Amino acid sequence: DTGVSQDPRHKITKRGQNVTFRCDPISEHNRLYWYRQTLGQGPEFLTYFQNEAQLEKSRLLSDRFSAERPKGSFSTLEIQRTEQGDSAMYLCASSPRDSNYTFGSGTRLTVV
Amino acid sequence: AQRVTQPEKLLSVFKGAPVELKCNYSYSGSPELFWYVQYSRQRLQLLLRHISRESIKGFTADLNKGETSFHLKKPFAQEEDSAMYYCALQTGANNLFFGTGTRLTVIP
Repeated sequence: DTGVSQDPRHKITKRGQNVTFRCDPISEHNRLYWYRQTLGQGPEFLTYFQNEAQLEKSRLLSDRFSAERPKGSFSTLEIQRTEQGDSAMYLCASSPRDSNYTFGSGTRLTVV
Repeated sequence: AQRVTQPEKLLSVFKGAPVELKCNYSYSGSPELFWYVQYSRQRLQLLLRHISRESIKGFTADLNKGETSFHLKKPFAQEEDSAMYYCALQTGANNLFFGTGTRLTVIP
């Protein structure tokens, strides 16, 4: 286990299409987080899982966004009907109980 | 509401000079603060956290509750310190609020 893996690294999509990203956390980490980072900004919290339970969602996470972690292992983040404003780097992180985060390399989404 | 402010987007210092990256926060509860660093073409990683009170790569940061600050300091900057630095605040809700970051460039 070499860390948090995210797939794909880059995604270009047309406006209105749906996209799905995957995150594989460090296997012994029960907490998983999704963040979004736009140009010139720091990462912004989107949502948090403890095992398979989604415990917190940011108001940034509109109805077009949904995240799952079905077996408490990997997680997916889906964006429906993408808009140009969704273009950003989507970061996943995982942590054990003490919230010492390990981040993935991110998925860069470009909506054209 | 929580807020993390990093007033400098860019900071350049000469190698061997002292460096200070500023971070101020706003939070009504008991803050837990972190510094994260992102080197070129690498992922975001934890540099240090205030409760550890340790020095990592020569960097230290002291939480000043009176001034609501958590400035990052290093007495002698090295070229390999050039990176993007983010200050982050963790609330009781177990998520992090990040500042907008400071890009540090150490000039040889």
